[in-house]
Amino acid sequence: KAGVTQTPRYLIKTRGQQVTLSCSPISGHRSVSWYQQTPGQGLQFLFEYFSETQRNKGNFPGRFSGRQFSNSRSEMNVSTLELGDSALYLCASSLVAGEVAGELFFGEGSRLTVL
Amino acid sequence: AQTVTQSQPEMSVQEAETVTLSCTYDTSENNYYLFWYKQPPSRQMILVIRQEAYKQQNATENRFSVNFQKAAKSFSLKISDSQLGDTAMYFCAFRPSNTGKLIFGQGTTLQVKP
Repeated sequence: KAGVTQTPRYLIKTRGQQVTLSCSPISGHRSVSWYQQTPGQGLQFLFEYFSETQRNKGNFPGRFSGRQFSNSRSEMNVSTLELGDSALYLCASSLVAGEVAGELFFGEGSRLTVL
Repeated sequence: AQTVTQSQPEMSVQEAETVTLSCTYDTSENNYYLFWYKQPPSRQMILVIRQEAYKQQNATENRFSVNFQKAAKSFSLKISDSQLGDTAMYFCAFRPSNTGKLIFGQGTTLQVKP
């Protein structure tokens, strides 16, 4: 069974640009959540999607957005990139949203560098 | 605000020995879940062990066990018979019962030495 797949794995952007990251969950998983990991702030929750609906949102500016498609694949977008957006972005999927039985399975992440 | 604190940024242990990683959390909720995740240098986060707050019995998974003290809001991870493959960053995480949001601690880097 394939795991959570995130693309691209690495990318470099310049300030002011925008970026779109993709996440394909484990087959059958309907919940996808996103986390930002930085050395200074650690792991911070961005948002959670279930059945194409955003269920929860973290404390990030409106430049960070996401969506989920009918096949449960999810994308997150960051517009007007800032240097501080450089981070590892992790996607996680689970069978059911909001249930502990829905163990989160993480992808390997997308490493974004903003110059 | 719900927070998770890991007070040990780095730890090391000799192979085959036992090590305990500390974690405390703060919440006003009564129903929640606690996790320990492992992130090896390859970066993929892997669930090590989980604990439901309503269960008094401490969770155990092979060499990994927890000491869950609900009143003290403490959730430590004990790794027995440490192996070189245990070298990784370990994150303690809290999850309210009605959300998929995980709140992570800052992590503890564990080095297992041969």
